[in-house]
This record gives sequence, C-alpha cells and structure tokens, in this order.
Amino acid sequence: QVQLVDSGGGVVQPGRSLRLSCAASGFTFSSYAMHWVRQAPGKGLEWVAVISYDGSKKFHADSVKGRFTISRDNSKNTLYLQMSSLSAEDTAVYLCARGRGRDGYHFFDFWGQGTLVTVSS
Amino acid sequence: QSVLTQPPSVSGAPGQRVTISCTGSSSNIGAGYDVHWYQQLPGTAPKLLIYENINRPSGVPDRFSGSKSGTSASLAITGLQAEDEADYYCQSYDTSLSSYVFGSGTKVTVL
Repeated sequence: QVQLVDSGGGVVQPGRSLRLSCAASGFTFSSYAMHWVRQAPGKGLEWVAVISYDGSKKFHADSVKGRFTISRDNSKNTLYLQMSSLSAEDTAVYLCARGRGRDGYHFFDFWGQGTLVTVSS
Repeated sequence: QSVLTQPPSVSGAPGQRVTISCTGSSSNIGAGYDVHWYQQLPGTAPKLLIYENINRPSGVPDRFSGSKSGTSASLAITGLQAEDEADYYCQSYDTSLSSYVFGSGTKVTVL
C-alpha cells in the first residue's frame, strides 16, 4: 500500500534552516511527481512546491520562492524540502503528497502524515 | 485570502443532503482546470474525496458527488452521517498565479 512518511520538523529560530524528508513506499516513486503542502495552525491548506518524476522540473509558490527548494532522490525513494531564512509565517505542518492528473495538472491522491515546523526564538 | 472561495461552515441533520460551493474565477476553474475535493478529519492528513470534478477514488462512498459549472464547483453529501464531520477543501490550478490553489475550507457539522 502507498505510504508517505514525513519527518524532519521541529523548533527552529528565525533566519535558520531546516530540511524536511518524505520517505515513500508501496509504489514506484520514480514515476510520480511529488508535492509539498503546508497548513498553518488552525488555517487552511497552502501549496508549497512540486517536483517532476525525474527531478528535472521544479516549481515553488511565490511565498517560498528563493528560500525553499524541493528535491528528490529516486534511489532512496525520498522527497526533500530544504527551507532557509525561516520566519514565523512559515510555522505550519508540512505534508508531502503524491501528484496525479491529466495534462500535467495535479491532484493529490496520497498524503504523508505531516511534520510540524515551528519557527520561534 | 484564498483564490477559491468556500462557505466557512455548513450543517445538516443525519440523513440530510448538504452542498459545499467552491467559487473561482476565469484564471482557475473558469479556465477549464479540474477541481478536486479533500476531506480532512480532525488531527489527520487530508484525504482525496473527488478528483477531476466528478470522480470518486476507490473506497469513497457514493454519498459524495462533485460537479463543476463555469467558474464554480460543488461537493454534495447525501445521507449525511456523523462520521462526515470534517473540514472539506476544493483545489484547482490558477494560471495567473502559476500555482496550485486551495479553497478556504468548509467545516461540516452534523447536528
């Protein structure tokens, strides 16, 4: 069965960096685009970034562009999110999700359980 | 402020029918991009409920149905059950933002 396990969250000071991971199993990881989505406490869902199946294409939301970088290691079946210059506005649960869809536009058919990132001094 | 607008809350008695609207614009739903729906139970990750406007993944009860018209989409829940109490989000793509976008979310309460 498809399983996505998010990890790497924690408490980090403003301006510092953090790397999140998403370990995938139960499907051919290298065949699917992958996304990061975040949810601030008590708030709605916000799309963060997407990476193509082979890692050749990456797109990031304007709110994180230049600070966050999505990447993947298909040999390890793992998705990453490198976050830098963190601010309080980045405090959220970060969830990885598998992307599927037609014409290159995705929906998210499986989700990780999320990992909480708290930016605080 | 979300690009896709949903009512903050809807409620209904067990067995009733409720609908959740998702209103977009000409740069997302109105541009022809598909709408997808997710259910998020308290303290859990979202779960795909409807994809590509009208399709249910395996295991989703047929009490849930989706539709799309113009710049809007709707999720209907018939035969409302206590276990349907959750937050529901619509999702699409916005060509002006070059970004995937979510609705503001709707809390469904079973009276």
